[in-house]
Amino acid sequence: GAGVSQSPSNKVTEKGKDVELRCDPISGHTALYWYRQRLGQGLEFLIYFQGNSAPDKSGLPSDRFSAERTGESVSTLTIQRTQQEDSAVYLCASSLRGLVYEQYFGPGTRLTVT
Amino acid sequence: DQQVKQNSPSLSVQEGRISILNCDYTNSMFDYFLWYKKYPAEGPTFLISISSIKDKNEDGRFTVFLNKSAKHLSLHIVPSQPGDSAVYFCAASAGGGSNYKLTFGKGTLLTVNP
Repeated sequence: GAGVSQSPSNKVTEKGKDVELRCDPISGHTALYWYRQRLGQGLEFLIYFQGNSAPDKSGLPSDRFSAERTGESVSTLTIQRTQQEDSAVYLCASSLRGLVYEQYFGPGTRLTVT
Repeated sequence: DQQVKQNSPSLSVQEGRISILNCDYTNSMFDYFLWYKKYPAEGPTFLISISSIKDKNEDGRFTVFLNKSAKHLSLHIVPSQPGDSAVYFCAASAGGGSNYKLTFGKGTLLTVNP
């Protein structure tokens, strides 16, 4: 079956522009997560969705970051007025309800802010 | 403050030998630990996990050991194969309502030489 997919795979943007990153979770997975991995660092938790509600947004680094999810499917992570420190790989993961530990990751979107 | 630490950025072993990857944690609330494997340009994939009520979990060539008193865990791969060459991330989760939130180490790059 299809895994988690993310688009675009690479995005280069100028400082100050807005970007939207997309995640398509595995069908039937009600939980969805966004992580960020900066160069040389581990994955940082950003936000968690259960269905289309986000009970935990605590990892979003600033109010320039927001995320939405449509039902139990697609999610978009939006970064407004991008800064160079936003450059990272943004990873999306999904899991079955109740199996939150076993998260299945997408390939990520590599964002470069110039 | 890093709560999950992988102090070896890289490890090189010969095919057929044992690979030992180490991970230390500081948060005594962590009660579930996972290892993820990541190939270039792919998302991390779940490898093996262990609950804090156990001190060992085995799955084929992969064994994870947990020493709670030392707040240390290790992943053993025996025998190592060239296809095991990847970045290995240690991750941890605290119980209760926040159990979906995984805290990752920075990763260890394992190279298995033929």
